[in-house]
Amino acid sequence: DAKTTQPTSMDCAEGRAANLPCNHSTISGNEYVYWYRQIHSQGPQYIIHGLKNNETNEMASLIITEDRKSSTLILPHATLRDTAVYYCIAYPRNTDKLIFGTGTRLQVFP
Amino acid sequence: NAGVTQTPKFRVLKTGQSMTLLCAQDMNHEYMYWYRQDPGMGLRLIHYSVGEGTTAKGEVPDGYNVSRLKKQNFLLGLESAAPSQTSVYFCASSYSLGGGGYEQYFGPGTRLTVT
Repeated sequence: DAKTTQPTSMDCAEGRAANLPCNHSTISGNEYVYWYRQIHSQGPQYIIHGLKNNETNEMASLIITEDRKSSTLILPHATLRDTAVYYCIAYPRNTDKLIFGTGTRLQVFP
Repeated sequence: NAGVTQTPKFRVLKTGQSMTLLCAQDMNHEYMYWYRQDPGMGLRLIHYSVGEGTTAKGEVPDGYNVSRLKKQNFLLGLESAAPSQTSVYFCASSYSLGGGGYEQYFGPGTRLTVT
């Protein structure tokens, strides 16, 4: 399974876009990029996933580079409630293992 | 829908005691999972189930047993608790395994302390 690398922490001003990077240089062709977040020790919450194309839903956008070696999660208008740990996961088809790293701790400030 | 629920929310055990954590989901998901999360760490998979009556080992299965007698319930047992099992335990469920759109839905967690 591809290992992902994320910055330990980031800050973002409320109302601004939060751009969270993730490196997955060893990702294979059948591995999806998933993003989850965990707010203050609650259970992780699914945000978005993608394979090759950029994706957008009501929560966020996911930009995947053409070579698929990195991606960026974008929260377009961060709020205080978006303060959380964000996990980027490379997730193969037909596997049981969601391998959570230590993620990026995003702090949104007023 | 309640989603994924876990019982109990908190528990303190003494070394050597046993207990069972209950996970229930009302989304008719086939797949269920048990994770543990230690302070400052990501989640690690303990055991999982791909359907009623089936279980499989995950990354850190030692010291735990599981059962899936009903599709909606997944039980995690600690036969003889040890301080190293102090952790937060999360249950999750999904329609299927793997990537491609089958995201996992997580419960609120059970905080277990073993003294």
